[in-house]
Amino acid sequence: EADIYQTPRYLVIGTGKKITLECSQTMGHDKMYWYQQDPGMELHLIHYSYGVNSTEKGDLSSESTVSRIRTEHFPLTLESARPSHTSQYLCASRTSGRREDTQYFGPGTRLTVL
Amino acid sequence: SQKIEQNSEALNIQEGKTATLTCNYTNYSPAYLQWYRQDPGRGPVFLLLIRENEKEKRKERLKVTFDTTLKQSLFHITASQPADSATYLCAASTGGGNKLTFGTGTQLKVEL
Repeated sequence: EADIYQTPRYLVIGTGKKITLECSQTMGHDKMYWYQQDPGMELHLIHYSYGVNSTEKGDLSSESTVSRIRTEHFPLTLESARPSHTSQYLCASRTSGRREDTQYFGPGTRLTVL
Repeated sequence: SQKIEQNSEALNIQEGKTATLTCNYTNYSPAYLQWYRQDPGRGPVFLLLIRENEKEKRKERLKVTFDTTLKQSLFHITASQPADSATYLCAASTGGGNKLTFGTGTQLKVEL
């Protein structure tokens, strides 16, 4: 079991609310990632970070933002949630060692925006 | 654009048989491919990695092949068990190896 945690696991919220999805890892990994996954669909990379104070947008455009102030913490924020944001959000991390090191995933946050 | 394709139809097999899942990639040449298992409501869990210069990799009942000519990877589970029922994801390296592009996954159901 990987030491990467996500909270909350489930969130149901109304349109227009600001939300922050938390992701923490205790493995000391430099690289962290946020993916969005709809049922039966592939994971889409929405944000990534290669270290503290480094964040980049991923391949799928997202209205969310991220920050990386501490190595172990990579929160994702939606300023104004909309029903189109309803999805599963997965956080992952990996070392900066070998290029092919695997990614370790958290359990995910299932977000529903009414 | 870079694309990873997996059979979207679920695969149903009998316990004890070998399950074979397919992953095809187009428009690029990944340095390596990875296979993950994902259970409902959970994050993916890494299973195997195979590099472009490797033909085959094994781990216990799992075997993965990488054919750069066909642009295809095959994932095999021998002596399958009901506990192997899950969705299996193929992922290819991109961005200099720092990022992964995932396929949609193939759902495997092993029946008694």
